[in-house]
Amino acid sequence: ETGVTQSPTHLIKTRGQQVTLRCSSQSGHNTVSWYQQALGQGPQFIFQYYREEENGRGNFPPRFSGLQFPNYSSELNVNALELDDSALYLCASSLRDRVYNEQFFGPGTRLTVL
Amino acid sequence: EDQVTQSPEALRLQEGESSSLNCSYTVSGLRGLFWYRQDPGKGPEFLFTLYSAGEEKEKERLKATLTKKESFLHITAPKPEDSATYLCAVPGGATNKLIFGTGTLLAVQP
Repeated sequence: ETGVTQSPTHLIKTRGQQVTLRCSSQSGHNTVSWYQQALGQGPQFIFQYYREEENGRGNFPPRFSGLQFPNYSSELNVNALELDDSALYLCASSLRDRVYNEQFFGPGTRLTVL
Repeated sequence: EDQVTQSPEALRLQEGESSSLNCSYTVSGLRGLFWYRQDPGKGPEFLFTLYSAGEEKEKERLKATLTKKESFLHITAPKPEDSATYLCAVPGGATNKLIFGTGTLLAVQP
């Protein structure tokens, strides 16, 4: 069984730039959720994708967008980067059809905005 | 509003000194409570799912329990390798998005 993978591991961008983060879900999982984790905080929900459509969004502006592909992998895109976007971005995969759907996390992408 | 609160924020133990971490939650219609372990700079590692009040789960030196208002993570005779941040989360909303606490940073000294 392959776990959740994310790329890249680290990324440094400057304010105003755009970034794309990638995630491959665990085999057998059909749902991908993205979270942002600031230093010393718990992860905050950004959005979730199921069947290639956004299936719920947290309190994040539209410049945060995503995609899910037929193989259930996913991308997170952030436009017009701001300093406060510096964080650990986490992808989690799950199987939506379960009543109690545990979410399994990837190693994360550390984004630094200068 | 769904909410999770963890205490203490940080805990320092001597090796072998048992203790408990607390997770209090407020959610409409509990659909499980999850415990994760997170090492610095890494993604959360799944530990346990607790489904209903009264349930207990064990894994090595860790034991998780659940009541109608809170969950405890008991650490028995911890070792330095148990040092990490422990997060608890509950699913909320129609998407089952995870609502996390801020975590407890555990340091176990040899």
